[in-house]
This record gives sequence, structure tokens and C-alpha cells, in this order.
Amino acid sequence: RKEVEQDPGPFNVPEGATVAFNCTYSNSASQSFFWYRQDCRKEPKLLMSVYSSGNEDGRFTAQLNRASQYISLLIRDSKLSDSATYLCVVNPVDTASKLTFGTGTRLQVTL
Amino acid sequence: GAVVSQHPSWVICKSGTSVKIECRSLDFQATTMFWYRQFPKQSLMLMATSNEGSKATYEQGVEKDKFLINHASLTLSTLTVTSAHPEDSSFYICSAEGSNYGYTFGSGTRLTVV
Repeated sequence: RKEVEQDPGPFNVPEGATVAFNCTYSNSASQSFFWYRQDCRKEPKLLMSVYSSGNEDGRFTAQLNRASQYISLLIRDSKLSDSATYLCVVNPVDTASKLTFGTGTRLQVTL
Repeated sequence: GAVVSQHPSWVICKSGTSVKIECRSLDFQATTMFWYRQFPKQSLMLMATSNEGSKATYEQGVEKDKFLINHASLTLSTLTVTSAHPEDSSFYICSAEGSNYGYTFGSGTRLTVV
């Protein structure tokens, strides 16, 4: 089983749609969770951290379910500029400071 | 904000030659730098972790004699791909961790070995 698993997509959605991505992780002791965005041939950029209580940043909402070892990202009112690959990232507690990346979910927002 | 500069952005080299990639933290001191590799449609895979002034720690399956890492100062780490082969063609990305800045990624280097 991969340490961090994501549906690779692609998800093709029209502008204005709401789309959700899911991610599961295998190390139950993991402590830090993030969503990164990666554009084609670019470096990953931090989108948001994920907290146990869930957190929202504008159109983006992230949630964490520790019992199910599951993380989600919800994007409301999708924009063309949201087209990218979204990476679920976990920091395993026993490997301090090393991030483990999922393979990413590709999103394509269309007119 | 924290900035990490990575050079070159892309490089094409012949098989058997060596290529050096630089990663610099411009406005903060990076206690730890990480080197990742990403093949097309795959995830970033950690290659090695380097701390200033000490030997890098390589992940399982990464040849330390092929991928030489030098972290001579708190603002500079280099990755040298020695005797490059076509299968080394990939996207190499560094990230730096500073005490107040978390993780900051460089812009990546696309290596093509012909």
C-alpha cells in the first residue's frame, strides 16, 4: 500500500462547479497534512495546511479525518486558473521534516 | 517571504557527462535541504536530505556515488548527477527548511540526457 494515495483523475469540470478530492494515508502516527498545487512543469506550491478541525481559505476547504486516515479538499466555484495537479502531502512523525507526497490529482476546469 | 533559487531551470547533456544543480536560499538560512525527483505523471520522490556541514542521508535505492550532494553553507546545496544516463532524465526539485519559513521549494530543474 502506498503511503499516500490519491485518485489521479483527471477531473474535468465546468467553470463554477464544486469539486472534491480525497486522499488516504497509511501511517496513523502522521502529524502534519498539507495540500499543494503543482502546475505543469513547475514546482509544488503550498495551497493550505490541513487541521483536525477543518479549515477554509476562500473557495478552498480542507478536512482531516484521523480515524479514517483520510484528507479532503473541496474547491467551490471553480475557476479556469484552478486547473492544476493537487498533491496531498503528509509529514510522518517518525521521519521528522520529510514530506511524503501523493501522486496528485489532476484538475481541468473548462469553459 | 522565503525564496529558494534553483539553477539551471533546464539542461540537456550527453550520456556520460556530469551535471550540477544548485539550490540557494536567498533570504533565510536553511538548516536542512531536500532533493526530490519527479518522473512524468508520478509523485515527487525524496532522494536525499542534506544538513549543512554533514553528509547527506540518502533514501533507499538512491545511489550516493551517482548523486553527489554538497551542503557547504546554510544557503547553498548542490546536487551533481555523475555519469548521467538517459534514465536519469527527470525533474529535480530542491526544498529548503528554515526555522521560521517551513518548506520552500526551488523552481526545479528539468534534466534531459541524450
